[in-house]
Amino acid sequence: EIVLTQSPGTLSLSPGERATLSCRASQSITNSQLAWYQQKPGQAPRLLIYGASSRATGIPDRFSGSGSGTDFTLAINRLEPEDFAVYYCQQYSSSPWTFGQGTRVEIK
Amino acid sequence: QLQLQESGPGLVKPSETLSLTCTVSGGSISRSNYHWGWIRQPPGNGLECIGSVSYSGSTYYNPSLESRVTISRDTSKNQFSLKLSFVTAADTAVYYCARVGAGVVDWGQGTLVTVSS
Repeated sequence: EIVLTQSPGTLSLSPGERATLSCRASQSITNSQLAWYQQKPGQAPRLLIYGASSRATGIPDRFSGSGSGTDFTLAINRLEPEDFAVYYCQQYSSSPWTFGQGTRVEIK
Repeated sequence: QLQLQESGPGLVKPSETLSLTCTVSGGSISRSNYHWGWIRQPPGNGLECIGSVSYSGSTYYNPSLESRVTISRDTSKNQFSLKLSFVTAADTAVYYCARVGAGVVDWGQGTLVTVSS
């Protein structure tokens, strides 16, 4: 099973700042089959990024994903008030599909 | 627009079977290139993939739950279902049904299932 470790656990930033979230895999993820999700309290997660770097439908271009192999990054430029949430990475290259434990982006 | 809606009991007794159904509207579960899956999230915790059924009917289960899980589909009703047997308090979670392609593309709103006597 591929274990995904996200860091930091919590990121405290102000609106307008840039957020950089990390997701590290215990083994290489083939074909960049990694996704990122945003989850707000009481809501289902929402797909932001798939294929490590492709934005899902309707996702603003301030969200960007990068990386390959075992190291992946989600960047959020110019944080908007609605971006403060929990973010999860997920790999779908190897069964069982697994999620990271999440990074909380909170208002500083 | 595709919508998924979970339904089923919100309270299940220990050792019994949890049964949930997902009704899909706005798209066919027989459409190729997608799987239809179940994901759960214990209160205050992270996400766990339970398993899925493909557009062709083949199933995939998380090995950690495989001995207790059955996922099936009813194409005539455009629904798919989850059965999880011999539940314990550790199975208390919000259960989401979802459409899976490159990542989990669409999610239901989720339903909280509590295991308690």
